[in-house]
Amino acid sequence: GQQVMQIPQYQHVQEGEDFTTYCNSSTTLSNIQWYKQRPGGHPVFLIQLVKSGEVKKQKRLTFQFGEAKKNSSLHITATQTTDVGTYFCASLNPSGTYKYIFGTGTRLKVLA
Amino acid sequence: NAGVTQTPKFQVLKTGQSMTLQCAQDMNHEYMSWYRQDPGMGLRLIHYSVGAGITDQGEVPNGYNVSRSTTEDFPLRLLSAAPSQTSVYFCASKAPLGTEAFFGQGTRLTVV
Repeated sequence: GQQVMQIPQYQHVQEGEDFTTYCNSSTTLSNIQWYKQRPGGHPVFLIQLVKSGEVKKQKRLTFQFGEAKKNSSLHITATQTTDVGTYFCASLNPSGTYKYIFGTGTRLKVLA
Repeated sequence: NAGVTQTPKFQVLKTGQSMTLQCAQDMNHEYMSWYRQDPGMGLRLIHYSVGAGITDQGEVPNGYNVSRSTTEDFPLRLLSAAPSQTSVYFCASKAPLGTEAFFGQGTRLTVV
């Protein structure tokens, strides 16, 4: 079945450093979504990428979708303590109408 | 606008007990789903529904039942709780043509 792997599983950075998490799939993805979950909270939608090679930015966050649509990345420039949380990628299972499969997540800790 | 509401927020069960986790949304979303979240495992899809009267299995359906009699409600039933079902459970909803999934606040379940 479809699997979406994320690396790294954990990342500790000093405030002001950059951070990147990667999402890799064994199959071609129709789209990729990114969610953020604050500690003790619930996942909140950040963005969706659909096109091959697509790049989108939200302030200090840059999202990329690979040319082959099998991988994606989220890059945060100059991390802040408010960036703390777990970042998940998610994608629609090609065989299911609403079968969103989530990656394993990357937990980010920002040290002040 | 309440969004997605899950009850209860916390629950402790004894092995073998049954219970129902409630999920309700007031956004008239056709798509609803249940996920469980375990450390290092990300969010795993248990069951999902694309409309009233229609449900299907996700990645980890064993030990769980669902039904969808109305658009608003999507309860998750544990018929005979096991310690392996200790987890945080999230319900999510999405409009068919919408982009993002909206998550409830989660139910933290402990089975002893």
